[in-house]
Amino acid sequence: AQKVTQAQTEISVVEKEDVTLDCVYETRDTTYYLFWYKQPPSGELVFLIRRNSFDEQNEISGRYSWNFQKSTSSFNFTITASQVVDSAVYFCALSATGNTGKLIFGQGTTLQVKP
Amino acid sequence: DVKVTQSSRYLVKRTGEKVFLECVQDMDHENMFWYRQDPGLGLRLIYFSYDVKMKEKGDIPEGYSVSREKKERFSLILESASTNQTSMYLCASSFLASGFTDTQYFGPGTRLTVL
Repeated sequence: AQKVTQAQTEISVVEKEDVTLDCVYETRDTTYYLFWYKQPPSGELVFLIRRNSFDEQNEISGRYSWNFQKSTSSFNFTITASQVVDSAVYFCALSATGNTGKLIFGQGTTLQVKP
Repeated sequence: DVKVTQSSRYLVKRTGEKVFLECVQDMDHENMFWYRQDPGLGLRLIYFSYDVKMKEKGDIPEGYSVSREKKERFSLILESASTNQTSMYLCASSFLASGFTDTQYFGPGTRLTVL
């Protein structure tokens, strides 16, 4: 069965701290895709990144970085020098088997960045 | 930029009413999806469609139906609204890609309250 686990329900940090959001997934597929989305208080899910299972290179985009490790089935997301605007719910997702276009979402991690 | 719009941001209906939630995308995407989001439960897929007039049940289709008469529009219908359908409803769309799972892009969401 496929599953995405975001064990951290809520995280609270003070501005400028670094924070890592954990994502662990389960799949028997050899080819799959992993995603991160951000949901600010306005409600709309904003796409952040997509990685395929053959590309284990870490990705950095400004203050955001992602660490993909197939050996531990993890795709963790780090925000460096967090800002209040980073406060949101963050979702990790996995492509469903069969290339249907469906995604399997984790429960989400609520990040609160305090000034 | 991909644009997914939903007909209402907030909606209040009474128990037993028939409710229509509309979603429109402007990127010529084949796939469209309806999710509901509830605290502690993450995103749950209600229905999806990979082509005009085609629909597939998601994880929680009971009490809902859908309509896709045109490629750009995907409607979610609550035949007889009940209080347990009070939720945030999110629409998404993506390309039906051959060999990989494309990114889903989300609308702003409709917060439905059934009294």
